[in-house]
Amino acid sequence: DQQVKQNSPSLSVQEGRISILNCDYTNSMFDYFLWYKKYPAEGPTFLISISSIKDKNEDGRFTVFLNKSAKHLSLHIVPSQPGDSAVYFCAATKQTSGSRLTFGEGTQLTVNP
Amino acid sequence: DTAVSQTPKYLVTQMGNDKSIKCEQNLGHDTMYWYKQDSKKFLKIMFSYNNKELIINETVPNRFSPKSPDKAHLNLHINSLELGDSAVYFCASSQAPTSSYEQYFGPGTRLTVT
Repeated sequence: DQQVKQNSPSLSVQEGRISILNCDYTNSMFDYFLWYKKYPAEGPTFLISISSIKDKNEDGRFTVFLNKSAKHLSLHIVPSQPGDSAVYFCAATKQTSGSRLTFGEGTQLTVNP
Repeated sequence: DTAVSQTPKYLVTQMGNDKSIKCEQNLGHDTMYWYKQDSKKFLKIMFSYNNKELIINETVPNRFSPKSPDKAHLNLHINSLELGDSAVYFCASSQAPTSSYEQYFGPGTRLTVT
């Protein structure tokens, strides 16, 4: 039973355009969400997070939106750059569970020059 | 000055063997984790230690035994390796189990069991 799902295994966009990566979750107890980026042969690196008390969090070119009623979050990258090409993982946790993160299966983003 | 390091990076071994993967973090974090990324690319937590104490133990075969000699190290020993153990294993660390959900990952160890 996969509680965090990223239904698009891959996404291709042109440099300078917006990249939108989507994530859905089924566990209504999740109240904190994170996005990680992973390059080949490296471990995932933290990108941005959002608490369920917010519906938007922005950090430079990266913005995460949370729609609790739809149990959906998205990561927007504007403008996209070739160096953003990586696998993006969505993760979720409930804050009372301590540090247990549940990850989605990842979306491969390719930004074409 | 790598934050979270793992050795070895690649490990090829035969079924039935026993192997260990080592992890070290120099971030001063209290909590460390082992994740398994299987062929479907899902990252699933296996174990978590806080200050050398086991706090998360998912449904993992008891052939897998984590050991934390100190809070900067978390090793994973696997007995009687099976084909299904082939995966990439990631070590991670965080400041504390409840104060931060941001985890820092090592580069991974690709284990291949033949």
